[in-house]
Formats: sequence, C-alpha cells, structure tokens
Amino acid sequence: EVQMLESGGDLMQPGGSLRLSCAASGFSIDNCDMTWVRQAPGKGLEWVSSLRDSGGDTFYADSVNGRFTVYRDFSQNMLFLQMNSLRAEDTAVYYCARGLPGTFYFDSWGQGTLVTVSS
Amino acid sequence: EIVLTQSPATLSLSPGERATLSCRASQSVVSYLGWYQQKPGQAPRLLIYDASKRATGIPARFSGSGSGTDFTLTISSLEPEDFALYYCQQRRNWPITFGQGTRLEIK
Repeated sequence: EVQMLESGGDLMQPGGSLRLSCAASGFSIDNCDMTWVRQAPGKGLEWVSSLRDSGGDTFYADSVNGRFTVYRDFSQNMLFLQMNSLRAEDTAVYYCARGLPGTFYFDSWGQGTLVTVSS
Repeated sequence: EIVLTQSPATLSLSPGERATLSCRASQSVVSYLGWYQQKPGQAPRLLIYDASKRATGIPARFSGSGSGTDFTLTISSLEPEDFALYYCQQRRNWPITFGQGTRLEIK
C-alpha cells in the first residue's frame, strides 16, 4: 500500500528554520516526481516545491524560492523540505504528494503536518 | 503564472442531481489539467487528469472535459459523499497552480 507520512510541523517564530519530513512506503521515491503542497487555514491549495525523479531538478514557488529547499534521501526513502527565514504567511498544513508517473498530477498524498509561524 | 478561475464558488444541489463545475485558465494549458476532491480534515484526492482521464478507483459518475482554457468537471448523479471542495490544477507551465476551489454543498 502506498503511504506517505509527514512530520516535523511545529509552532515557530518568524525568521526561524524548520525541516519537514515525508516518509514514503509502498513505493520508491527515486522513481517518482515528488511535491510539497500547502494549505493555509481555511484557504485553498498552494503548490510549494517539486523534485523531479530523473535528474533531480527542483522547482519552487516564487513565495518560497531562496528560503526553502527540497531534497530526498534514497536510503531512507524520504522527502524533506528545509524551511528557512519563516514568515507568518508560511503558516499552513504542508502535504507531500507523489506524482502520477511521468506527470505532476498528485495521485497520493500524506495526511499533512501543520506549521505555524507566529510571534 | 497561469491563473485558474473556478466557478461557481459554491454550488448547492441535491443528491441525485447533476453537478457541473467550471475551471477557466488565463492561457492555454492544452489538456494538462486535473481535478481534485477534498473533504474536511482530509488530503485532496485526484479525480481526473489530462482533462478527461479518470484516476484509479474513481467512479464513472465523475467525468472531465475541455481543452485549451475551458474545462468542466461533471458529476452525473450526486451521491451524499460527493459533497466536498473541488480544485482544478494545471501542470502545463511552472509554477504549478490550483484554482481557488468550488464548494459543492447539499441543498
């Protein structure tokens, strides 16, 4: 069974750093495009970052470019999102999602982890 | 950035009725458009990809159509479990973008 489990969400002060983790099971992340999507409380879905399976190209939303870094650990079958210089507007539930093969449609999602940025 | 505009914002229908949800793109996305369903407290679920292909396990009452800039998600006969939020998403260009959502509520 395909599963993804995010962790690492926390209450943070503005300017802080946090690393989110996504543990994948039932499939290998090195064969899949992987993505982080966030959802602010009561708001819609916002794409954050993607990592392509072949070549490892990374892509970022303008709102996080230069502050967030997506990477993976094949040995642990995990995806990570390093978040620096956190802002109040980064407050959201962060989901990791697997791409449908060869695409950036998201066919499997984790349950999400909540990041709150507040002083 | 490709902006996706969904309409209506809220759709009020009864079980058994037909639902038609719209998604309009600010520029052509060809057929690179997907639809998701999200229920409260849950992650989104992929329903449709490439405008008209049903994802694995999605009931036949869900169908998608359109190309270019205008797309439609149709639910042929609403079941009680279909009342939820629906989002469209394009993968034609970076950044990937989502529509703002349509809430399908019970009338």
